[in-house]
Amino acid sequence: EAEVAQSPRYKITEKSQAVAFWCDPISGHATLYWYRQILGQGPELLVQFQDESVVDDSQLPKDRFSAERLKGVDSTLKIQPAELGDSAMYLCASSLTRGNTEAFFGQGTRLTVV
Amino acid sequence: AQSVAQPEDQVNVAEGNPLTVKCTYSVSGNPYLFWYVQYPNRGLQFLLKYITGDNLVKGSYGFEAEFNKSQTSFHLKKPSALVSDSALYFCAVRDTKGSARQLTFGSGTQLTVLP
Repeated sequence: EAEVAQSPRYKITEKSQAVAFWCDPISGHATLYWYRQILGQGPELLVQFQDESVVDDSQLPKDRFSAERLKGVDSTLKIQPAELGDSAMYLCASSLTRGNTEAFFGQGTRLTVV
Repeated sequence: AQSVAQPEDQVNVAEGNPLTVKCTYSVSGNPYLFWYVQYPNRGLQFLLKYITGDNLVKGSYGFEAEFNKSQTSFHLKKPSALVSDSALYFCAVRDTKGSARQLTFGSGTQLTVLP
């Protein structure tokens, strides 16, 4: 069964350092999402791609976060510099379209900033 | 702007009893509605969706949900709860209006099924 792959699963970093997360969506899925989930809360959308284009990054803290999906396949989310408040689960998801199709989630990357 | 509300942070139910997890939504156009489940330290798993047609939709693991347009609700239900259903449940909505069509999640409801 096809899955969304994310790496690493866990990351501990010191504040002010740079950190990057990688996501490989299900093959053929045009829409890719990055969400941030604080423990016990719902996922918050950071950025949404349609193929290689960003269609929504209104909640992305652009002074420190960046995301790219260069060939419209896999994607990287970067934080530089990391802050203590960035500690959270970072979830990647993909869907066939932006319409009536469900999103499939990866296992997530648990980030701890110390 | 679209939004989802899950009014109960926690729902407790005895094993074998019916369960309901509540969800209401707000969108500009028509909604696409989804339910997901999350186990500790894992990603979200898709349970079911409403797109159009029959207001009662059936999904994985015996779950179903009822779409009510007048009450803007999409409550998750199961006739007989299992201890293994204990998990965090999220309702999500996608508006059919707008170009980005974000998938917006509620704050989640922790379901505990007591043996």
